Amino acid sequence: AQSVTQLGSHVSVSEGALVLLRCNYSSSVPPYLFWYVQYPNQGLQLLLKYTSAATLVKGINGFEAEFKKSETSFHLTKPSAHMSDAAEYFCAVSVIKAAGNKLTFGGGTRVLVKP
Amino acid sequence: DTEVTQTPKHLVMGMTNKKSLKCEQHMGHRAMYWYKQKAKKPPELMFVYSYEKLSINESVPSRFSPECPNSSLLNLHLHALQPEDSALYLCASSQDGTSGGLTDTQYFGPGTRLTVL
Repeated sequence: AQSVTQLGSHVSVSEGALVLLRCNYSSSVPPYLFWYVQYPNQGLQLLLKYTSAATLVKGINGFEAEFKKSETSFHLTKPSAHMSDAAEYFCAVSVIKAAGNKLTFGGGTRVLVKP
Repeated sequence: DTEVTQTPKHLVMGMTNKKSLKCEQHMGHRAMYWYKQKAKKPPELMFVYSYEKLSINESVPSRFSPECPNSSLLNLHLHALQPEDSALYLCASSQDGTSGGLTDTQYFGPGTRLTVL
């Protein structure tokens, strides 16, 4: 069964510091992985996705993620945090079902940015 | 345009009421989804429509009834809900929800915040 685990439900960073959000996947087949961001009282917005074309994936708002098969990881990073990065971040994997696809989400990581 | 719209933004209903949530997209997508999100939790899939046919029902109670009148619209009819059904209901769409669309990006609407009294 395909699943993702996010390590750390809360992360606190100072403005200008590195943001690192951890996601590990479990999959017996090549996974298709996604990072979404959710700002307060809003829906989810796609940050980036991994579809096996390149192991380093660049997304919106300066975020990027690196797929590491040996570590079964897809960690999200941003070199310099902005106050506007305060949000909930979800890692997700696309799961094959006979009737179609579904996204399975990790538990989420809430990012707090300190001035 | 990658916009998915949902109405209403907020909804308060009693346990005996009947109400509907609406979702619309004009991206030409053929797959649409309903998710339920409780506070401080990730979204949980409820239903998937692919080419206007219900393809996935994640064992959702019958008090939730989805409907896909056409490829752009998705409704969720609510009846006899319980207080524990209070949550953010998110709609999403993607180009192709079939097993061949593993790399499909799902685009989410802003959600309807539902409170059941």
